[in-house]
Amino acid sequence: KAGVTQTPRYLIKTRGQQVTLSCSPISGHRSVSWYQQTPGQGLQFLFEYFSETQRNKGNFPGRFSGRQFSNSRSEMNVSTLELGDSALYLCASSERQGNYGYTFGSGTRLTVV
Amino acid sequence: AQRVTQPEKLLSVFKGAPVELKCNYSYSGSPELFWYVQYSRQRLQLLLRHISRESIKGFTADLNKGETSFHLKKPFAQEEDSAMYYCALSGGGSSYKLIFGSGTRLLVRP
Repeated sequence: KAGVTQTPRYLIKTRGQQVTLSCSPISGHRSVSWYQQTPGQGLQFLFEYFSETQRNKGNFPGRFSGRQFSNSRSEMNVSTLELGDSALYLCASSERQGNYGYTFGSGTRLTVV
Repeated sequence: AQRVTQPEKLLSVFKGAPVELKCNYSYSGSPELFWYVQYSRQRLQLLLRHISRESIKGFTADLNKGETSFHLKKPFAQEEDSAMYYCALSGGGSSYKLIFGSGTRLLVRP
């Protein structure tokens, strides 16, 4: 099986712009979560989706949004980018809804200049 | 509040020495606990979960609800164990979001 695929791998954006990150989960996985990883704050939860429904949202401003499609692929969007949004954004998928552990992608490295 | 604490940023041991990576948590209900590992230039991967009571790569972890701890242990460290280790908590219910600790870097010296 192919792993969790995130595109693009690297991204450089200017303050004020918006960005869309994509995640393709492992085939058959219906649960997708997103995390932000920074040196200062560590790994922080952004969103969780299951069967196109957002199950939970982390403590991030409304500039951060996401969605999941019927094929379980997911996207997250950040509008009006700020310098502090520079981070590694990780997507993770799980075979089913439940605490069986997530499989993580390699992430998208976003740099805001 | 839900929180995971890993008190050590860096743990350095010699090859063959025992290893214990500490993890304490704060959660009002019955959480699920996990250990994730990130080797150099590799993606974050699940090492083990308490519900499975398994041993992976010689590592074990026991959930101690009285002390709210989930320490990761290995009796004899190997150089290939050098990596970043994250303890994580999931609260259950309809959401299985993970709350991560800040991580401990394990360095196993020859």
